[in-house]
Amino acid sequence: EPEVTQTPSHQVTQMGQEVILRCVPISNHLYFYWYRQILGQKVEFLVSFYNNEISEKSEIFDDQFSVERPDGSNFTLKIRSTKLEDSAMYFCASVGNEQFFGPGTRLTVL
Amino acid sequence: AQKITQTQPGMFVQEKEAVTLDCTYDTSDPSYGLFWYKQPSSGEMIFLIYQGSYDQQNATEGRYSLNFQKARKSANLVISASQLGDSAMYFCAMREGRGSGGYQKVTFGTGTKLQVIP
Repeated sequence: EPEVTQTPSHQVTQMGQEVILRCVPISNHLYFYWYRQILGQKVEFLVSFYNNEISEKSEIFDDQFSVERPDGSNFTLKIRSTKLEDSAMYFCASVGNEQFFGPGTRLTVL
Repeated sequence: AQKITQTQPGMFVQEKEAVTLDCTYDTSDPSYGLFWYKQPSSGEMIFLIYQGSYDQQNATEGRYSLNFQKARKSANLVISASQLGDSAMYFCAMREGRGSGGYQKVTFGTGTKLQVIP
């Protein structure tokens, strides 16, 4: 069964550092998403990506965040200068008829 | 207004019994999809079941079924024959319509924590 993969599974970083979270979506899917889930809270939409550009983004997705699909397979989320409140689980998802999530990257900002 | 409402923050069920997790939604879009996901303590998000707004029949996937009542805007998840491994958080979510940029984002409810008792 096809699956979405994410690396790393856990990232620890210092406040102010840049992090890049990586995702490999399901190969024939065209729509990709990033979500985050702060511990104990609900899942929040960050951004959707279609046809190599952002199609929608939430108010959380400010100019510290960026996404790209550099090589046609990987889909990355970059946080330029991490803050303590960026600590969360970050999920990538790709959509065909259903939406499949990756296993998530747990980001811890110290 | 909340788009997805899960009114049960926590539920208990006896092993081998059936359990219903409630979900109501709010949308004016005629085209939407409803999802249920399971999130065990390890944190990953596991897709369980999907119901499209135009689907004539309730979705079923193994022990999971979705009790879709369109007029009441409810999409309850029924888990039959509960197992200990079913203990997890369960999230109801909705995707509305399809915009110019592809499918719209999925909005999640706050989740229900299910605990299966031996």
